[in-house]
Amino acid sequence: QVQLVESGGGVVQPGRSLRLSCVASGFTFSSYAMHWVRQAPGKGLEWVAFISYDGSNKYYAGSVKGRFTISRDDSENTLYLQMNSLRTDDTSVYYCAKEINSISWPNWGQGTLVTVSS
Amino acid sequence: DIQLTQSPSFLSASVGDRVTITCRASQGISTYLAWYQQKPGKAPKLLIYAASTLQSGVPSRFSGSGSGTEFTLTISSLQPEDFGTYYCQQLNNFPRTFGQGTKVDIK
Repeated sequence: QVQLVESGGGVVQPGRSLRLSCVASGFTFSSYAMHWVRQAPGKGLEWVAFISYDGSNKYYAGSVKGRFTISRDDSENTLYLQMNSLRTDDTSVYYCAKEINSISWPNWGQGTLVTVSS
Repeated sequence: DIQLTQSPSFLSASVGDRVTITCRASQGISTYLAWYQQKPGKAPKLLIYAASTLQSGVPSRFSGSGSGTEFTLTISSLQPEDFGTYYCQQLNNFPRTFGQGTKVDIK
């Protein structure tokens, strides 16, 4: 069955960097677009970034553009989110999600918590 | 950016009640709308996509309707396991956006 497992979260100081990973299994990873979504403690869902199935198209939320970079390694079935210049308001649980045909996201990881604090 | 406004933000209902949540988009999104249920500490679970298509494995008491700018999620007979927060999401444009959520409590 489809599985998405995020890792790489932790506590980091403002201004520092962190890289999140999302390892996919149970499907042909290279055939699907992927997203990162985050959720601050007690808040709603916020879309963060998108990468197309072949990596040729990437889109970002305005709040992270220029600081975060989404990428993928199809040989490792892994999605990444490189987060630079972290701010306290980046504190959230970060989820990866698989997209199907631009109309549904049926599979999500369990999330990884990023805490930005001095 | 497309804004999604859900109403109500909170509702409390009894088992067996019919429950309706509305999601209004700031501009037309055709039927590029999905609904999710989220329980505390868990990832969102897809319920409905393309405004009205029930995701595989989701109970038939859940249904969605609408197009353009107004959408509804209906639970025909609320069950105890239906507590949680419900979000709409538009998939028409980037940035993808979510509604602010509707928290459903079982009386």
